[in-house]
Amino acid sequence: AQKITQTQPGMFVQEKEAVTLDCTYDTSDQSYGLFWYKQPSSGEMIFLIYQGSYDEQNATEGRYSLNFQKARKSANLVISASQLGDSAMYFCAMRESQGAQKLVFGQGTRLTINP
Amino acid sequence: DTAVSQTPKYLVTQMGNDKSIKCEQNLGHDTMYWYKQDSKKFLKIMFSYNNKELIINETVPNRFSPKSPDKAHLNLHINSLELGDSAVYFCASSQTDRGLENEQFFGPGTRLTVL
Repeated sequence: AQKITQTQPGMFVQEKEAVTLDCTYDTSDQSYGLFWYKQPSSGEMIFLIYQGSYDEQNATEGRYSLNFQKARKSANLVISASQLGDSAMYFCAMRESQGAQKLVFGQGTRLTINP
Repeated sequence: DTAVSQTPKYLVTQMGNDKSIKCEQNLGHDTMYWYKQDSKKFLKIMFSYNNKELIINETVPNRFSPKSPDKAHLNLHINSLELGDSAVYFCASSQTDRGLENEQFFGPGTRLTVL
């Protein structure tokens, strides 16, 4: 069964610093996808970045990059030059190729950016 | 142009009542989902429909009944509401033939409070 673990319930970072949010996963599937979503205090879920299990390069989207280490089953999100607007809950999620392609989410990390 | 919309945004009701939450997507996607986010922010899949066919039915009390009248709509009806049903319910949609990387687009959520 798929499992996602985010071990940091909360993170506090100074504005303009880089921050890494941890995510480890467990799956027996060879083909899977990893996602990060942001949930600001307003409540909506915002897709940030995707990494496929067969992608050889780490995904990047603007200030977001994904540090994918397949052997260690980790998919950490790196936010460079953090901004006050980055304060939010961040969720790591996984989708396996088998079955109905549901997303399984981690517990989330609450990121607070201090001015 | 709202991609995934839900109504109502807030729902406050008494225990024992029956209520419905509606979801519509205008993205032309073939798959829709219901997720529940509990008070600890944990997100879990409840149901998924692909082309109006139920494909995911997680361990959810049978008081919850999803209905998909067409590909663009997925409603959630809840009978005999209980205190533990209080949560935020998210609708999402995706296009499954785009492979693992197809992101799920989430609606704004419906905050259900059972008194």
